[in-house]
Parts: sequence; C-alpha cells; structure tokens
Amino acid sequence: DTAVSQTPKYLVTQMGNDKSIKCEQNLGHDTMYWYKQDSKKFLKIMFSYNNKELIINETVPNRFSPKSPDKAHLNLHINSLELGDSAVYFCATTSRQSRANVLTFGAGSRLTVL
Amino acid sequence: SQQGEEDPQALSIQEGENATMNCSYKTSINNLQWYRQNSGRGLVHLILIRSNEREKHSGRLRVTLDTSKKSSSLLITASRAADTASYFCATDARETSGSRLTFGEGTQLTVNP
Repeated sequence: DTAVSQTPKYLVTQMGNDKSIKCEQNLGHDTMYWYKQDSKKFLKIMFSYNNKELIINETVPNRFSPKSPDKAHLNLHINSLELGDSAVYFCATTSRQSRANVLTFGAGSRLTVL
Repeated sequence: SQQGEEDPQALSIQEGENATMNCSYKTSINNLQWYRQNSGRGLVHLILIRSNEREKHSGRLRVTLDTSKKSSSLLITASRAADTASYFCATDARETSGSRLTFGEGTQLTVNP
C-alpha cells in the first residue's frame, strides 16, 4: 500500500491545455505540499495545505490552482500550460503534531509540455 | 527565501570508499535533514539533526552540523553501488505561516563497482 500516491506518473500535453495532477495519502498526516523539481533537480515549494486550509502559497502563477477536498487529498490543476511548466511535480506530506517536519514524498508526476 | 547550497554538485567514487557531501545555508534553523533521491523516484528521508545537536549517526551515515558556520556535512562510509543517487539537504525554519523545508541543490553521487 503506497503511502503517498500521485497520478498520473507521466503526463505529456500540448501548450495551452489544462491538466490536473492528483495526490492521495494514507498516513493520516494533516499537512500536504506540492513541490516542483526542474531539469537541474532544484526543488521549490509551491503550496502547502494543513487540514484542507491553504497555509503556504509561494510566488506561483495563478494558472496553478491547488485544491484539497479532504485531509487525505491534494490536487493541482494547471491552466493554459506553458513550455516552462515542464517539470516533475512532487506531493509530500507531514504531521504538524510531530516536532520535526519530516516529509514523505510521492513518486512524482513528470509533466512534459510540447 | 533561504536556499541551501551543496557541494560538490557531483561526486564519483569507488565502492568501499567514503563519500562526503557538504551543505551551507543562510538563516536560523530548527533542524536540518538529508534526503536521498534515486533516479526517477521521490525523495526519501535519511536523517535529521536538530539545531542543538552537533553530530548524529545512523548506520553508515554520519551527519555533522555547525550552526556558527551554518553548514552541515553528510558522510557515507564504506559506500556501495546501491548508494548511487542524488542527496539533498533541507532546512526547517519554522515560520508563523507554517513549516516549510527548503532544499539545497543536491549532490549527485556515483559509486562505481
């Protein structure tokens, strides 16, 4: 049973399209994140939700809209995709109740925009 | 925002040798963590060292933290080919807006059999 699962694993699409990536966790964690990893493997935080409430929103184009329908799910919808959106998107989770902010990552969703 | 820097960017060694990776950061932290990423996979947490600790061990891993120099090192002893991966340091600087981990740029380690 995968702790943090993302779908799809691979996504190839044309510029201008709208696409979604989904994340589900079965760890009972209360905080979920989206990170973007570029071609140089640099990881940058995008969003964070705690108990379905948005708590971190980095300088991300408003074409990116996260949505957390419940504590176990965090989805990322991207409108009007651009070439620069090509990257690997990682979902990660943690529990704020723990003193240490240790993240559990999903396997990633590789988005390629043509 | 704070960003860690790691060196070297790439490291190639022979099996059995030790590998040392360094990380520097800019602001005050609660803890520093090291993660590993195999090719095509997500990151996996390896070890955490708190700001009031100077050294920590876990199996073949040894982490040091020098808060006065704002730097940390990860030592992998007796390396194996299976240790080939990217290694990232991440700093936890708790803020009122919520905890966040800020990752370094990573070190690509290649262990040759």
